[in-house]
Amino acid sequence: GDSVTQMEGPVTLSEEAFLTINCTYTATGYPSLFWYVQYPGEGLQLLLKATKADDKGSNKGFEATYRKETTSFHLEKGSVQVSDSAVYFCALRGRDDKIIFGKGTRLHILP
Amino acid sequence: DAGVIQSPRHEVTEMGQEVTLRCKPISGHNSLFWYRQTMMRGLELLIYFNNNVPIDDSGMPEDRFSAKMPNASFSTLKIQPSEPRDSAVYFCASSRPPGYEQYFGPGTRLTVT
Repeated sequence: GDSVTQMEGPVTLSEEAFLTINCTYTATGYPSLFWYVQYPGEGLQLLLKATKADDKGSNKGFEATYRKETTSFHLEKGSVQVSDSAVYFCALRGRDDKIIFGKGTRLHILP
Repeated sequence: DAGVIQSPRHEVTEMGQEVTLRCKPISGHNSLFWYRQTMMRGLELLIYFNNNVPIDDSGMPEDRFSAKMPNASFSTLKIQPSEPRDSAVYFCASSRPPGYEQYFGPGTRLTVT
């Protein structure tokens, strides 16, 4: 069945460092791909999305490119801030229209 | 616009008691999802409704769990009887068609002692 695999955390970086959180997926067809973010004490919220191959989603300085050849959707940010500390979830929309979430990657940014 | 509303935000109860969690989806959204989040198991989809009808309840862990959606603006998740292993944060989310962006509520943190 459809699935999402993302790198295990926690990931700890210093402020202004470059961030990459890896995400790969298994699915038939051409699923839409998402990154959600969960700040402490809150629910998940959509960070960015891409609906077809080679699309780049971007928001708040974060980017991810839909790579069908490598079945990947890695999240990147050029210069992280302390306020980016959160849990990040990669997800896809499966054939039955359910959203399949990865296990989440906790990110800590040190000042 | 109001987002997804969940109540209560925190619930502490004793083992064996009935627990009811409530959710009001965003107006105009016709899909509603219940999730459970724990450190050990991550985020799990319990059940989802489309147009008030349960579509997939394969994630409901046991018969102790039940969910209803009597109308487009209200849903409940009930646990009876509750057990300590049910302790988790329960999220409700809604979307327009079920495969589109989901909007999450703030969650209910349930502690069963």
